[in-house]
Amino acid sequence: DQQVKQNSPSLSVQEGRISILNCDYTNSMFDYFLWYKKYPAEGPTFLISISSIKDKNEDGRFTVFLNKSAKHLSLHIVPSQPGDSAVYFCAARDDYKLSFGAGTTVTVRA
Amino acid sequence: NAGVTQTPKFQVLKTGQSMTLQCAQDMNHNSMYWYRQDPGMGLRLIYYSASEGTTDKGEVPNGYNVSRLNKREFSLRLESAAPSQTSVYFCASASFYEQYFGPGTRLTVT
Repeated sequence: DQQVKQNSPSLSVQEGRISILNCDYTNSMFDYFLWYKKYPAEGPTFLISISSIKDKNEDGRFTVFLNKSAKHLSLHIVPSQPGDSAVYFCAARDDYKLSFGAGTTVTVRA
Repeated sequence: NAGVTQTPKFQVLKTGQSMTLQCAQDMNHNSMYWYRQDPGMGLRLIYYSASEGTTDKGEVPNGYNVSRLNKREFSLRLESAAPSQTSVYFCASASFYEQYFGPGTRLTVT
């Protein structure tokens, strides 16, 4: 049973606008949440993370929000750039292990 | 620093053949992981090694074995390959929270 879900397989956004990616989880033991970005034929690269004791973390154009009561997190990218076109994976940590969502493919249109 | 390296990059096997995927990291990380990525399913954990000398099953361990050769190296073995093991395999390492991924091995079993 998938413990981390990304319900939107794809997202198309115009360059300069905001991209919002969503992720839901079911396991209340998750204590750390991460977003990874993946280009074709490459391994995932770490983007941004948030501890379960926080509700927001910001790094440049990327902000992650965590709503523990709703078991929901989101990634905001502002402004979106062509180089942001990639697959984004949400991940959640329990002990040593990460559980991943299925990914959201983001396409940034010029 | 090379980070996480994987060999080979590509491999085609016939059903029933065996092979070993190699992974090495030069970041002095304690934990290492093997994942497979299939379309629409995100990354699923096959095996992991929380520290040198230990290995544990992940979500999809059947048909695989692993060896943590030393702190740097973690190999994944397919004893008798099956078409269902056609996938992209990623190795990762972690010191604490964030995992760092290799470039992947694309395996096709015919």
